[in-house]
Amino acid sequence: QSALTQPASVSGSPGQSITISCTGTSSDVGSYNLVSWYQQHPGKAPKLMIYEGSKRPSGVSNRFSGSKSGNTASLTISGLQAEDEADYYCCSYAGSSTFLVVFGGGTKLTVL
Amino acid sequence: QVQLQESGPGLVKPSQTLSLTCTVSGGSISSGSYYWSWIRQPAGKGLEWIGRIYTSGSTNYNPSLKSRVTISVDTSKNQFSLKLSSVTAADTAVYYCAREGVPPSYYFDYWGQGTLVTVSS
Repeated sequence: QSALTQPASVSGSPGQSITISCTGTSSDVGSYNLVSWYQQHPGKAPKLMIYEGSKRPSGVSNRFSGSKSGNTASLTISGLQAEDEADYYCCSYAGSSTFLVVFGGGTKLTVL
Repeated sequence: QVQLQESGPGLVKPSQTLSLTCTVSGGSISSGSYYWSWIRQPAGKGLEWIGRIYTSGSTNYNPSLKSRVTISVDTSKNQFSLKLSSVTAADTAVYYCAREGVPPSYYFDYWGQGTLVTVSS
């Protein structure tokens, strides 16, 4: 299976909204609502922010939201805060009855 | 609160076998409600899923590593383990253990803090 495609970097100013895309194929992202998103600060373990495309775990701010269109999933962060600066990774079922997991390459979010 | 903690040698020689253990606390690994995964991250790079195990011993592995990977579970110790054989410098990474719901949910809600393994002579 191939890795999901994410932009290497995005940036935004405090208070603004940004969107990070995650592009797969019709076999993985496009066919299943099984995309998750993780936030990772330097030197820390990833933290689950979104699962099953758009669900937020308990304790995650409602400024974080997930969506999907076709073969592309998206993570939107509204009301950007300095603490949102981190790396973000998408993850999905790899499809084709493989039971396998595939990650995106990661996106560095810079809060200007 | 569930906690996961990786342990094992931080330095492994090329061609040898990397061995790590993940100890789960705050919940039973044999509850039947979760899968248990290993994920790694080379310095400055992205995440790579290595594989998962269920309490029954059923496993799934990343095809790119399948020939060298073995994941096992010890329910008596509430631990699961990773063995990666014939390592090279490309296997140098931070290794994480993580929890995934059943049926495979394809998302990881609890992670260990990670342990750095360096492959070098």
